[in-house]
Amino acid sequence: EIVLTQSPATLSLSPGERATLSCRASQSVSSYLAWYQQKPDQAPRLLIYDASNRATGIPARFSGSGSGTDFTLTISSLEPEDFAVYYCHQRSNWPRTFGQGTKLEIK
Amino acid sequence: EVQLVESGGDLVQPGGSLRLSCAASEFTFSNYAMTWVRQAPGKGLEWVSAIIPSGGSTYYSDSVKGRFTISRDNSKSTLYLQMNSLRAEDTAVYYCARGQNYYEIWGQGTMVTVSS
Repeated sequence: EIVLTQSPATLSLSPGERATLSCRASQSVSSYLAWYQQKPDQAPRLLIYDASNRATGIPARFSGSGSGTDFTLTISSLEPEDFAVYYCHQRSNWPRTFGQGTKLEIK
Repeated sequence: EVQLVESGGDLVQPGGSLRLSCAASEFTFSNYAMTWVRQAPGKGLEWVSAIIPSGGSTYYSDSVKGRFTISRDNSKSTLYLQMNSLRAEDTAVYYCARGQNYYEIWGQGTMVTVSS
């Protein structure tokens, strides 16, 4: 199975700052990578699919990039509601897999 | 409103069985593949299983293969997860989600606790 490794595990930033989250795959997933946001006691929410496409209703401050094995989720200017846990997910192979998550916390 | 509602979570002893359900509404269920994802307390997301719209193909994580069975009843717009030989490490919130590639619609989750 494809292993997704996210870094850093925790990212401490202030509102207004830029956030850069990374996801590395153990083998190429082409562009078949998504990003999800999860807040406490809520289901995950799809942010980005196919590496760089924003899902419906996702603000433009969220962007994704990368292909092959290295991917990045960027939040251009953090809003208070952006502090949450973020997961990457690959749909290249079965079984599908998720990364272990990056917690974005308020500094 | 497009909605998924899971049910069936419970406290069960190790080695026991449980069947989860996921009722879909306000979309044509039979047009969509469906997926189960779980989350152990305080841990990350773990993909569990998926099924194509017809039910003709199913997929499982290695951790549940041979113990869990995903199925669907398109006439009832309902997805199922039959869980047998449950272990403590199966303790988690189980979410159903629409799709087999990306998941824009999720249920609220149902809690399964495996403990004696």
